[in-house]
Amino acid sequence: NTKITQSPRYLILGRANKSLECEQHLGHNAMYWYKQSAEKPPELMFLYNLKQLIRNETVPSRFIPECPDSSKLLLHISAVDPEDSAVYFCASSPGRYSGNTLYFGEGSRLIVV
Amino acid sequence: GDSVTQTEGPVTVSESESLIINCTYSATSIAYPNLFWYVRYPGEGLQLLLKVITAGQKGSSRGFEATYNKETTSFHLQKASVQESDSAVYYCALGASSGSWQLIFGSGTQLTVMP
Repeated sequence: NTKITQSPRYLILGRANKSLECEQHLGHNAMYWYKQSAEKPPELMFLYNLKQLIRNETVPSRFIPECPDSSKLLLHISAVDPEDSAVYFCASSPGRYSGNTLYFGEGSRLIVV
Repeated sequence: GDSVTQTEGPVTVSESESLIINCTYSATSIAYPNLFWYVRYPGEGLQLLLKVITAGQKGSSRGFEATYNKETTSFHLQKASVQESDSAVYYCALGASSGSWQLIFGSGTQLTVMP
């Protein structure tokens, strides 16, 4: 799937700051960050619709999303914690209304050492 | 709240055998949720396998089928004859709408197909 690209694909960090990037080439209005920890299903972290943060799940404040335009999504992580080790998936959909299929990127695997 | 329960893995079957992965859902935020099966092949991201938005309808893709059964709140995934290339993790998901749209995923079922 080259229509939603994420970078970096793999990341090994100590207690450092880092940003994950996502870009979608589908013309969608809504973009999401999902976190998938080992042996768990993907869980929604953030949802943007038309560059506005619509839903902010109860994630730690060290995660800060940013949506510079409707095709790009960033996730800034400061002072990562071992519990942050997971795969972070970016996704997009035509809009934020019921019925829309979500399209996922390949994920960014974060390993905190 | 909304939730999805599916067959716990890992599941191992031999090539050409039939497969069923059970999925049941509970929807409180929406009366007629949309139901999805997503698949994650090794080293890849989540891909939509099939989707059904109308109760009583069946979805199919790549030889897989699932029927939206509102009476039993189920959306089981079936395939008559699996192939080694079907080895992946399968996720049942529910489209919830408590203010904004999101997917609620089941825990995933790791499927290994032996040659």
